[in-house]
Amino acid sequence: AQSVSQHNHHVILSEAASLELGCNYSYGGTVNLFWYVQYPGQHLQLLLKYFSGDPLVKGIKGFEAEFIKSKFSFNLRKPSVQWSDTAEYFCAVNAPWGGTDKLIFGTGTRLQVFP
Amino acid sequence: GAGVSQSPSNKVTEKGKDVELRCDPISGHTALYWYRQSLGQGLEFLIYFQGNSAPDKSGLPSDRFSAERTGGSVSTLTIQRTQQEDSAVYLCASSPDVDRGQGIQYFGAGTRLSVL
Repeated sequence: AQSVSQHNHHVILSEAASLELGCNYSYGGTVNLFWYVQYPGQHLQLLLKYFSGDPLVKGIKGFEAEFIKSKFSFNLRKPSVQWSDTAEYFCAVNAPWGGTDKLIFGTGTRLQVFP
Repeated sequence: GAGVSQSPSNKVTEKGKDVELRCDPISGHTALYWYRQSLGQGLEFLIYFQGNSAPDKSGLPSDRFSAERTGGSVSTLTIQRTQQEDSAVYLCASSPDVDRGQGIQYFGAGTRLSVL
């Protein structure tokens, strides 16, 4: 069965620090990869996605993620975080050929950024 | 425009009671999903409706859980004989047909269910 692992459960950073959140998935076939974000008091929303092509994808608010197929990883990065990046971040995968669009999510990483 | 709407936003119930959670997807979205977010568990897929196709029920944890979608729009998730382990935030999401196969979903605010 597909699964997604996020190894960092809680990350605390100061503003301007660099961020990298780990995500690994276990699935041998073709997958689509996503990072969703939930800001305090807001709905879960898409941050960025990877379907194919350039393995380095850029999303909103300066975030990027790199797909490394050999490592089954899709880590999220940001060179310099801001207080407004405080949120919970979820990595997710889906198998587009599987006849269903369901997303398999990781357990999430809570990011706190202090000014 | 209006997003995915879920009601109630909070529900407190006693163990053994039945509950119904409602989801109004974005107008025109053909796909509708239910997920459950438990403390420390991330988001767990429950069920997926796509148009008139048979739903993907593979994530429902037990036969106490069921869902229906009437008229291709509103969906109701029903939990019978609730247990304390059912306490969680239940999230609904929808997506348009144009995003089919791409995993892009639009989420509601969720219903926080507490079973005492």
